[in-house]
Amino acid sequence: QPVLTQPPSSSASPGESARLTCTLPSDINVGSYNIYWYQQKPGSPPRYLLYYYSDSDKGQGSGVPSRFSGSKDASANTGILLISGLQSEDEADYYCMIWPSNAVVFGGGTKLTVL
Amino acid sequence: EVQLVESGGGLVQPGRSLRLSCAASGFTFDDYAMHWVRQAPGKGLEWVSGISWNSGSIGYADSVKGRFTISRDNAKNSLYLQMNSLRAEDTALYYCAKGSRYNWQGDAFDIWGQGTMVTVSS
Repeated sequence: QPVLTQPPSSSASPGESARLTCTLPSDINVGSYNIYWYQQKPGSPPRYLLYYYSDSDKGQGSGVPSRFSGSKDASANTGILLISGLQSEDEADYYCMIWPSNAVVFGGGTKLTVL
Repeated sequence: EVQLVESGGGLVQPGRSLRLSCAASGFTFDDYAMHWVRQAPGKGLEWVSGISWNSGSIGYADSVKGRFTISRDNAKNSLYLQMNSLRAEDTALYYCAKGSRYNWQGDAFDIWGQGTMVTVSS
């Protein structure tokens, strides 16, 4: 199974933006896949945030604020979750996910700290 | 209110079996695929299995293939996971998750239950 690489941790201050990355292995082209993002707070189940394929093919989870958005950096073969206007409640673990075949692959997660 | 409630977890010895259940409410259950996703203590997420709306298509992670069986009863709005030949590495919090469409492949998990803990230990 391919491995999605997420930095273990990231931090930013309230009001700033956080850019969380999810790097695909070189044999999987990020341009060919939906990238799904989930948020998980301690003691709670994951929450679906959004998926991103392209600017014309993307979707927001129900009730998810528009300050959460997705994108891709094809040159880095990376999916990106951008959180703008950071709030203390955004402090959580964030997981990316793809379907490279008939099985799901999750990234290892990034713990976002809002300083 | 859309809700998923898992049950059936517990402490079980290696090699034994356990059956998990997930009761769904607040949405048209038979319109959507359903999934099981697990999370070992302090670890990340691992997809376990998915089933299409009518049970016509099913998928498993390699780590559980041949040992676990997913099923659903649309009349009872319920999802199940039969787990046989359990191993210590199956110890995890098992989440039931709703898919976003009919088929399980390429699906988003848009609603999650609170999970039921399975501990495999002698």
